Amino acid sequence: LAKTTQPISMDSYEGQEVNITCSHNNIATNDYITWYQQFPSQGPRFIIQGYKTKVTNEVASLFIPADRKSSTLSLPRVSLSDTAVYYCLVGEEGFKTIFGAGTRLFVKA
Amino acid sequence: DAGVIQSPRHEVTEMGQEVTLRCKPISGHDYLFWYRQTMMRGLELLIYFNNNVPIDDSGMPEDRFSAKMPNASFSTLKIQPSEPRDSAVYFCASSLSGAPKGSYEQYFGPGTRLTVT
Repeated sequence: LAKTTQPISMDSYEGQEVNITCSHNNIATNDYITWYQQFPSQGPRFIIQGYKTKVTNEVASLFIPADRKSSTLSLPRVSLSDTAVYYCLVGEEGFKTIFGAGTRLFVKA
Repeated sequence: DAGVIQSPRHEVTEMGQEVTLRCKPISGHDYLFWYRQTMMRGLELLIYFNNNVPIDDSGMPEDRFSAKMPNASFSTLKIQPSEPRDSAVYFCASSLSGAPKGSYEQYFGPGTRLTVT
């Protein structure tokens, strides 16, 4: 499985756009990129998934460049409730899931 | 749907005792996963099942750990005997393989916080 690298932590203020980038240099042809969010004392929650270009849903956008060696999760206008750990996962089928350390996002008022 | 259900939510036991954690996946999901989360090691995949059959248990730390899925709506993770280093939050998750290609979303339960003293 492709190894991922993300920043350990990020700080932001309410109302700002937050971009979290994940590096996955060894991504394989069949691999998809998936992002999860985890709040304290809860299980991870699926946010978004993509293969290439851009994917957008009601929660976030995912930008994937042509070489697919990185991806960027974009959270528009964050609020205090977006304070959480965000995980980037890369793998085919998603079944052999390996979570890295994730990025701890702290949103300040 | 009620989502993935886990019980108990909290378990405190003494070293050497047997511990059984339970999970009910979302109805219709054919994949079930057991994870363990600690501050030191993060979120680790222990084992996963497809159609009640264990597919990969390479993440199970020791023979003290065992998991079963007797039917599509129930799974257990057992630790016997338990040790203090087993203290962690254990999550169960389920997913559906028949979803559109690329839609490999896993739904996690609330977790069981295990403390072994």
